[in-house]
This record gives sequence, structure tokens and C-alpha cells, in this order.
Amino acid sequence: DGGITQSPKYLFRKEGQNVTLSCEQNLNHDAMYWYRQDPGQGLRLIYYSQIVNDFQKGDIAEGYSVSREKKESFPLTVTSAQKNPTAFYLCATRGGARSYGYTFGSGTRLTVV
Amino acid sequence: AQSVTQPDIHITVSEGASLELRCNYSYGATPYLFWYVQSPGQGLQLLLKYFSGDTLVQGIKGFEAEFKRSQSSFNLRKPSVHWSDAAEYFCAVGGRGATNKLIFGTGTLLAVQP
Repeated sequence: DGGITQSPKYLFRKEGQNVTLSCEQNLNHDAMYWYRQDPGQGLRLIYYSQIVNDFQKGDIAEGYSVSREKKESFPLTVTSAQKNPTAFYLCATRGGARSYGYTFGSGTRLTVV
Repeated sequence: AQSVTQPDIHITVSEGASLELRCNYSYGATPYLFWYVQSPGQGLQLLLKYFSGDTLVQGIKGFEAEFKRSQSSFNLRKPSVHWSDAAEYFCAVGGRGATNKLIFGTGTLLAVQP
């Protein structure tokens, strides 16, 4: 089945640590996105990538980093510079221009302990 | 500025009753419009989308939405709600260019009473 796999589903981080969230897709979609979700705030865009080896900052990129070395993979690193990292993180992909809808992964819940 | 407003944070309806979730947007051109649904701890599932043409669009699970350009609205409706419809619903708007991103509303949490 084609889809998006986010791992792990739950992640705990100590303050001062960097952690990496995985997002893998087998949909052959070019564009990939990372969103952060907090209660009552909807989804906010962290980073996005339209093509391999290229990515752009979204609205809340500070304290995060990404890479796009392969079409299938778009990992997100939450660095120690992110002051409030506890949130639900969603990865999404978009097909070509004729298929504008986003497909979402099932998310990773990150908690700072 | 581009934005999406979902004025109702939380709605409770009785099972079998009709439902309307409101969505208003601010966008410089005619946008693409979407409604997504999210169950607790899960990702978002696309309910329906509007690109062009007929302003009344049908989606999955018996949902429909109507695009009203004059009101900048894209309200979601269902004639008879089922207990399994309890979830959070997000309206989203996007541009028509290939590089345009989706902007999401803050969501409406739907509770269904037996």
C-alpha cells in the first residue's frame, strides 16, 4: 500500500537534546511538508521541500532543521534551540500540480521530559 | 493576509441531527479549498475539496460543502450525524500555483451526543 510512515509514534526528549523524527513515503510525491500541531492553534508549517536537495522554511522554522537527500525521505530534527518542542508533528506529501490534495502521516507526539 | 477562520472551537450535536461547520477565508485570488478530519492522535484525512466548477462538492462519509465566493465561505454540512463523526475538523485554503502551501484553520472539535 502506498502511504506515509512517521516514526516513532511517541518520542520523549530530555531538555538540551536533539531528536530526529522520521518521515518516509512511497507515493512518489515530489513535495513534502512538516507541520506542528498544538491544541487550539491548528497546523503550522515548519519546513517544506518541493524537490530533492532543496527545502524552504515555513512559518515557524526556528529551532528545527531538515534534509531531503532522497525523494522518499524528509527527516525533521528538533534541536535544543527549540524552546517549546512538546507538540504533535505531522508529515505530509503532495502529488503533482493536478493532484493538489495533501496526504498526511499518522504523526509523532514529542514530549520533553 | 491569507488566513482561514473557523469561528466555532467546539460544537456538540445529537446523533441524527444535521451539522454545519463554518469556514471563512481571506485570500487574494480564487483558492483551492479543503476540509480535513482528524481523529485523536491520528493524521488528517481529506473529506472533500473544491477546485472549480460546481460550488457544491460532495465528499466521503456523507459530507458536503458549499463554496460561496461572495461570502468567502466554505461551510461543511452533513444531514444526519453519526456517533463516529466525533472528531476535529479542519478547513484549509491553498493557492493555485505549484509552490503554494496550504493554510489551515484552528479546527472545530465536534462532539456527538447519543
